[in-house]
Amino acid sequence: DSGVTQTPKHLITATGQRVTLRCSPRSGDLSVYWYQQSLDQGLQFLIQYYNGEERAKGNILERFSAQQFPDLHSELNLSSLELGDSALYFCASSAPGRERGGGRYNEQFFGPGTRLTVL
Amino acid sequence: AQTVTQSQPEMSVQEAETVTLSCTYDTSENNYYLFWYKQPPSRQMILVIRQEAYKQQNATENRFSVNFQKAAKSFSLKISDSQLGDTAMYFCAFMDYNNNDMRFGAGTRLTVKP
Repeated sequence: DSGVTQTPKHLITATGQRVTLRCSPRSGDLSVYWYQQSLDQGLQFLIQYYNGEERAKGNILERFSAQQFPDLHSELNLSSLELGDSALYFCASSAPGRERGGGRYNEQFFGPGTRLTVL
Repeated sequence: AQTVTQSQPEMSVQEAETVTLSCTYDTSENNYYLFWYKQPPSRQMILVIRQEAYKQQNATENRFSVNFQKAAKSFSLKISDSQLGDTAMYFCAFMDYNNNDMRFGAGTRLTVKP
């Protein structure tokens, strides 16, 4: 158990719908990362938040958005869903103290993922 | 942009034998981290080992070790004394000092046979 929780575990919905995935980071972690893993592929980085602010953006579609709340939990919103959005969505968190460009590494701890199926 | 390539989609090994998984990457950065993650059927992402690019010594964690060749941009994972519980997808990942996001390879599915 990494200490990162994600809800729900499974989500089945229809094309065109909107869903919200939730992530609670480990206690004390300020950074939250979202990744998408399509069937039998590697993880694709979507977006990172640090203490409530967007820190880095990857291959995130305009139909997707995220936010991190004052209690540090994060939500990933997926709208106008398409069949190709079916995937496993991971959240990860890391401890504070890693400065951009500073080279200090803080391990990312992954949650169990949310499996989204779009029918 | 950094890319990570795993050229072996599937591999198998006999229990107690040794297997090596390959990974190459492309970057213009000099300082970065490399990782191997294991993803068993449960889908949980488990960090196996990491390597810091400025360290010449190859990282080891019990039965897991890496062969890091910085000039060749190669980062292979060696699993010694393979166990049935090592059966999983293995992902190579890259992260540079200036960004916090990780770039993953497509993965290698490893099967350990009894």
